[in-house]
Amino acid sequence: QVQLQESGPGLVKPSETLSLTCAVSGYSISSGYYWGWIRQPPGKGLEWIGSIYHSGSTYYNPSLKSRVTISVDTSKNQFSLKLSSVTAADTAVYYCARSSITMVRGVIFGRFDPWGQGTLVTVSS
Amino acid sequence: EIVLTQSPGTLSLSPGERATLSCRASQSVSSSYLAWYQQKPGQAPRLLIYGASSRATGIPDRFSGSGSGTDFTLTISRLEPEDFAVYYCQVVTFGPGTKVDIK
Repeated sequence: QVQLQESGPGLVKPSETLSLTCAVSGYSISSGYYWGWIRQPPGKGLEWIGSIYHSGSTYYNPSLKSRVTISVDTSKNQFSLKLSSVTAADTAVYYCARSSITMVRGVIFGRFDPWGQGTLVTVSS
Repeated sequence: EIVLTQSPGTLSLSPGERATLSCRASQSVSSSYLAWYQQKPGQAPRLLIYGASSRATGIPDRFSGSGSGTDFTLTISRLEPEDFAVYYCQVVTFGPGTKVDIK
């Protein structure tokens, strides 16, 4: 079955760039679907960050778009997240997930299944 | 951006009882795009329902979804001990969640 695993530094300094990678097993990214990132601050709700297709086509949450870059490496069957200029507000568990994304009349819709186990990233000096 | 509101914020029930969770969208949403997730402490969310009423793979039939337009409902017919968790509705943005806890 499809499995996803996040990896990356657990501690990032303020103003620096957060970088995470999601390795996918049991399914080829090139076979289809979008692949996305979602985050959850401690004790709070879920926030979609963005999603990418194997071709490189992306959708981003407008509230984060100026700081986010999502890329894909089909040769390694993985995709990555970069979030620049981080602050303490970016402290969260970051999840990767397989996404079904569509845009209808300028509105993005999607769902996520399955998910990785998540990785906590703390922004602190 | 579509904003989702969930009610109640917390639902206190006993095992065996019926749970009814509400999700309201700020504008009409095709039922094709409404999903529900369950999240237990320390775990990733799990997709329960997609397309407003279709159960995801492996989800027990005590979970059902309904609704259209701006109003959607997740029903758990008889709560099992493992069902006490937080539930989120989602279109790509997520609602704030409803916590179902043990009375």
